Amino acid sequence: NAGVTQTPKFQVLKTGQSMTLQCAQDMNHEYMSWYRQDPGMGLRLIHYSVGAGITDQGEVPNGYNVSRSTTEDFPLRLLSAAPSQTSVYFCASSYATGGGYEQYFGPGTRLTVT
Amino acid sequence: EDQVTQSPEALRLQEGESSSLNCSYTVSGLRGLFWYRQDPGKGPEFLFTLYSAGEEKEKERLKATLTKKESFLHITAPKPEDSATYLCAVQAGGYNKLIFGAGTRLAVHP
Repeated sequence: NAGVTQTPKFQVLKTGQSMTLQCAQDMNHEYMSWYRQDPGMGLRLIHYSVGAGITDQGEVPNGYNVSRSTTEDFPLRLLSAAPSQTSVYFCASSYATGGGYEQYFGPGTRLTVT
Repeated sequence: EDQVTQSPEALRLQEGESSSLNCSYTVSGLRGLFWYRQDPGKGPEFLFTLYSAGEEKEKERLKATLTKKESFLHITAPKPEDSATYLCAVQAGGYNKLIFGAGTRLAVHP
C-alpha cells in the first residue's frame, strides 16, 4: 500500500494564479480531509469529504475548492492564490473507529505564494 | 469554545532522561484523543487513540494516558531517534470536529 500520496511536494505561485493539489489514497477509506499547517498553529481543516460525491467546508475554506468523484482521489483547488495561502498542505484519509476517526496523512505540499 | 493546548512548546532532553508532554483540552464532548508524531518535512504519523479517562496505551518508549481534562505522553529513556514534534488532537464531535494542538518539539541529544 502506498497510503496517502500528494503531488507536488513543492510549489511556488504568483498572486492570482490558480492550481490544483493532488491527493490519492489506496486504503479504501471513506473519509478524506485537507489541512493547512502554519508555524505556531495547529493543523486547520480546510475541506473534508465523507464519501464520493459528498464534500463540506471546514474551519478555513475561503479561497479553496474541492470535489470527490471517486473514493481514491480528493484534489484541492486554489482559485486565485494569495500570499496568505503560503503554507504546508496535508491531505488525510481516515476510517471510523470507536468514537473517533484515525487519520493517515500524506507527506504534504509546501506552497509559497509571492 | 473547544480548545487544545500543548506544553511545553519545546523540550530538550539528554538521551535516557525521561519526561512527559502535556495536552490539556476543553471540549463539550470528548469522543477521542489522538497523539501523532511529525518528523521535519513529513506528514503526521498516527501513534495512539484514547477514548476515556483512565485509559493508557503504550508503544516502545512511549506511554499515553488520559484524564478528564488532559493527556500526557510519557517518554521513558528517550533516544535521539525520538526527536520529533508530537501533536495532540481531540475529536469533539463529528468527523469535522478534530481540533489539533500546536505541538511540542522534542529534541533528544546523545
